[in-house]
Amino acid sequence: EVQLVESGGGLIQPGGSLRLSCVASGFTVSSNDMNWVRQAPGKGLEWVSVIYSDGSTYYTDSVKGRFTISRDSSKNTLYLQINSLRAEDTAVYYCARSITIFGVIRNYFDSWGQGSLVTVSS
Amino acid sequence: EIVLTQSPATLSLSPGERATLSCRASQSISSSLAWYQQKPGQAPRLLIFDASNSATGIPARFSGSGSGTDFTLTISSLEPEDFAVYYCQQRYNWPITFGQGTRLEIK
Repeated sequence: EVQLVESGGGLIQPGGSLRLSCVASGFTVSSNDMNWVRQAPGKGLEWVSVIYSDGSTYYTDSVKGRFTISRDSSKNTLYLQINSLRAEDTAVYYCARSITIFGVIRNYFDSWGQGSLVTVSS
Repeated sequence: EIVLTQSPATLSLSPGERATLSCRASQSISSSLAWYQQKPGQAPRLLIFDASNSATGIPARFSGSGSGTDFTLTISSLEPEDFAVYYCQQRYNWPITFGQGTRLEIK
């Protein structure tokens, strides 16, 4: 069974840093494209970042230079390092796997974690 | 950035009725669109990908259609568990974007 479990969220002061983790089971993180998607309280979904199976990474403009996506194959875990936190980064952060359709990975998200809440406040 | 506009913002229907949700893209995205369902306190669930293909395990009452800029999610006969928020998402261009959501509520 495919499962994603996030951790690492919490209450952080503006300008602070934290690292979110997403432990995967039932599949291999490094063989898939993996994403972070966030949702501010009461708001819609916002795609944040992807790490492709080949290791290349992409970010939405608002987080470029502050967020870093990475993975650890030995731990089958996805990470999101978040620096220079702002109030507008307050959200539930989901890790999500891109779907594989007939052997081709596509940027739709077929498996999601339960989410990790990051609250940025002084 | 491609903007997805969903309508209506809220749809009030009764169980057994047919629901039609719309998603309009700010430019053509071919068929590169997905639909998700999200219930309170839960992660989104993929329903439809490539505009009209059902994800694994999705009931047949959910169907998607459209291409270019106009897309529709149809729920043929609403079940009590279908009342939730629905999002569309495009993968045609970076960045990946979502619509603002349609809340489907019980009338």
